Parts: sequence; structure tokens; C-alpha cells
Amino acid sequence: KAGVTQTPRYLIKTRGQQVTLSCSPISGHRSVSWYQQTPGQGLQFLFEYFSETQRNKGNFPGRFSGRQFSNSRSEMNVSTLELGDSALYLCASSFTPGGGEQFFGPGTRLTVL
Amino acid sequence: KNEVEQSPQNLTAQEGEFITINCSYSVGISALHWLQQHPGGGIVSLFMLSSGKKKHGRLIATINIQEKHSSLHITASHPRDSAVYICAVSKGGGADGLTFGKGTHLIIQP
Repeated sequence: KAGVTQTPRYLIKTRGQQVTLSCSPISGHRSVSWYQQTPGQGLQFLFEYFSETQRNKGNFPGRFSGRQFSNSRSEMNVSTLELGDSALYLCASSFTPGGGEQFFGPGTRLTVL
Repeated sequence: KNEVEQSPQNLTAQEGEFITINCSYSVGISALHWLQQHPGGGIVSLFMLSSGKKKHGRLIATINIQEKHSSLHITASHPRDSAVYICAVSKGGGADGLTFGKGTHLIIQP
């Protein structure tokens, strides 16, 4: 079974731009969660999607948004990028929603200049 | 105060030593997860447990629900075990995704 894939793996943007990251879950997994990892804050939960619906959202501003498609692939979007958005963005898929065993992708490293 | 606390933050040990990493949490949980992250970022789920003890190869994870405490043990440690080990919890009711500890940076020297 193929693992979780994320594209792109690396991205460099400038302040004020927007970015879209993509995540393809393991086949059969309908839950996709997104996380942000920074040296200062560690790993933080962004949001979770299940069956195309946002189930939960972490404590992030509205500039962070996401969606899930009928094939369970998910995208997250960050608008009006700030320097502090530089981070590793990880997605994880699971068979069941709400914090079940999670399978992580390799992450997208975003650098905002 | 963080809802999930890990200790130690950093640990250096010699190959073959028995390793223990501790995790304490202050919220109600439905499950506790132990994750491993190697340089480069990839995260692997090692264990998900809600009670008792689980063993996989040289790794053992235990949880005490009453004391809100979990431990990850590595027996016969090896340099390839060098990684960051992260404790995370799923809160009761499945709310808010995973809440993470800050991680334990483990180095096993040959």
C-alpha cells in the first residue's frame, strides 16, 4: 500500500503571497489531519477533515484553510503569508476520525522570505 | 502549563543501554500516541494505547490512566534508535486532533 504523499516537498514564498499544499492519504483512509511544526512551538494541530467535512480546527487564524475532495485528497491554503508561517507542514491520514492511529506524510517545508 | 509534558528533553546514552522516556498529561484522553521523528522530518507512529502495555520488537510502551502517565522504553538501544520521540494525546470525544509534547531528542552513541 502506498503511504501518505505530500506535494510539494519544499516551497519558498515571500510575505503576502498565498500557498496551497496537497496531501494524498493512504488508500481507504477518509480522515486527513494537518499539523504545523516549528522549532519554537513544536507540533500543533491545524485541522481535520473527514468525508469532505472539516471536523475540528486548531487555534490558528482564518488565513489557514483547507478542504477535502471526494477521493479523500486534501489541500490546505495559507493566504497573506507571514514570516512566522515558515514551518514544516505535515498531513496524516487515518481510517477513523478523531485521533485514531495516524500515518504521516513526509511533510512540506515552507520558507517565507 | 503544557497539557502534555515529556522528560527528559535530551538524552544521550551508550549503545546497549535501557532507555526510558516519560510523558505526563493533564487532560482527559481517549488514547496516547508515541511517535518517532528522524532528521528530515518524517514521523512514524510507534504505538497508540489507551490502557496497559504494548510491545513491538525492542520497544515497550506503558500507560497508567489513573496517574495520567506513560513511558516508552527501548531495550538494547542501538545508534539507529537516535531520533526525536514525541508523545501525543487524543483528547476525549475526539476533539481538537492530537496534542503534542515537545519531544525527547535521543542520541545513542556506539
